Amino acid sequence: SQELEQSPQSLIVQEGKNLTINCTSSKTLYGLYWYKQKYGEGLIFLMMLQKGGEEKSHEKITAKLDEKKQQSSLHITASQPSHAGIYLCGAEEMDSNYQLIWGAGTKLIIKP
Amino acid sequence: DTGVSQNPRHKITKRGQNVTFRCDPISEHNRLYWYRQTLGQGPEFLTYFQNEAQLEKSRLLSDRFSAERPKGSFSTLEIQRTEQGDSAMYLCASSPTRNEQFFGPGTRLTVL
Repeated sequence: SQELEQSPQSLIVQEGKNLTINCTSSKTLYGLYWYKQKYGEGLIFLMMLQKGGEEKSHEKITAKLDEKKQQSSLHITASQPSHAGIYLCGAEEMDSNYQLIWGAGTKLIIKP
Repeated sequence: DTGVSQNPRHKITKRGQNVTFRCDPISEHNRLYWYRQTLGQGPEFLTYFQNEAQLEKSRLLSDRFSAERPKGSFSTLEIQRTEQGDSAMYLCASSPTRNEQFFGPGTRLTVL
């Protein structure tokens, strides 16, 4: 079972529109990672957040981590076909050793 | 190409056969991880190496599974007496520190 809750499970968005994906844990996290995956391929690192309240941006993608370090959001502005894929959040819990726990992923489809 | 590589990319085998997968991490990364991913789910942690030492192993990993990382470089994951439930994508990742993990393209296993 997944220990990180991701929502929504899937999302269909008109090209050019904004969207947000959420990732929630019941435990305080050491670090929160966002990855993108194309079907049948490996994961591509997007961003890592470690500090409460931290926000990072890369091109049209912005990720935030809340002050309690239990919830993160990924926001895409003016979506493009290249943004289509599966977005996964992974996290290290404070009492874990080395492994990441993962959400089930959000499948994003961009309608032209 | 200096990324993480995995071989083979695809493997089809009959139930009961043994299979072995190889992962070549980024050369200066001393941490190496194996994950298993099934359709519509995030990766599930299998095992973790720091250099040649296997420091953590998931309870998901039955005694049919074994992983090695001789000399702290490449790693192999062997599954003995494969079962249909072993069908999945097997992902390898490496990292230099307790930060982002760099993933390989994965090996897709189909057990008939």
